[in-house]
Amino acid sequence: EVQLVQSGAEVKKPGESLKISCKGSGYNFTTYWMGWVRQMPGKGLEWMAIIYPGDSDIRYSPSFQGLVTISADKSINTAYLQWSRLKVSDTAIYYCARREEEGDWFDPWGQGTLVTVSS
Amino acid sequence: QSVLTQPPSVSGAPGQRVTISCTGSSSNIGAGYDVHWYQQLPGTAPKLLIYGNSNRPSGVPDRFSGSKSGTSASLAITGLQAEDEADYYCQAYDSRLSGPDWVFGGGTKLTVL
Repeated sequence: EVQLVQSGAEVKKPGESLKISCKGSGYNFTTYWMGWVRQMPGKGLEWMAIIYPGDSDIRYSPSFQGLVTISADKSINTAYLQWSRLKVSDTAIYYCARREEEGDWFDPWGQGTLVTVSS
Repeated sequence: QSVLTQPPSVSGAPGQRVTISCTGSSSNIGAGYDVHWYQQLPGTAPKLLIYGNSNRPSGVPDRFSGSKSGTSASLAITGLQAEDEADYYCQAYDSRLSGPDWVFGGGTKLTVL
């Protein structure tokens, strides 16, 4: 069974750094793109960034370029999303999702990581 | 403002048919890119519902169907059931000059009356 398991909820202060993770299992981690999607409280889905773990090819949404960093460690089948300086407006649920080989859809999705940034 | 436009809400009685529209532009749906649909039940992660405009993953009931024409797409749900109450999102690839982008609609909340 293909599965994506994300790290647990985080509570941080503005200005702090954070790295959340997404571990894939049940498939060849290096041959599928992995994306990150943000969902702010009560809002819709926003694609942020995507990485190909096989060669670390990366694409960022223009809306998130420079604000977050995506990475992956293929030795442990894990993708990451990190912030160097969090803002209150980064409060959201973050989902990882595997991009299908044959097309531009995402399946499956991780369970989500709630990030709360508050002073 | 989302790149793909969906109605904020739709509703229907059990057993009825509802449709959710998704309108894009010449850089995404109109450029020939496929449309995909996701269902997000309350408090859960999104789940793939329709891929490649009209294909259902294994396990998705045939009450759900998708179509695409020009710069728009639609999701139809027939025989509405209480468990269909959820948020629905369309998604496509977008090839704008600012860079590649996987874009979503703003989401449509389906209420089963």
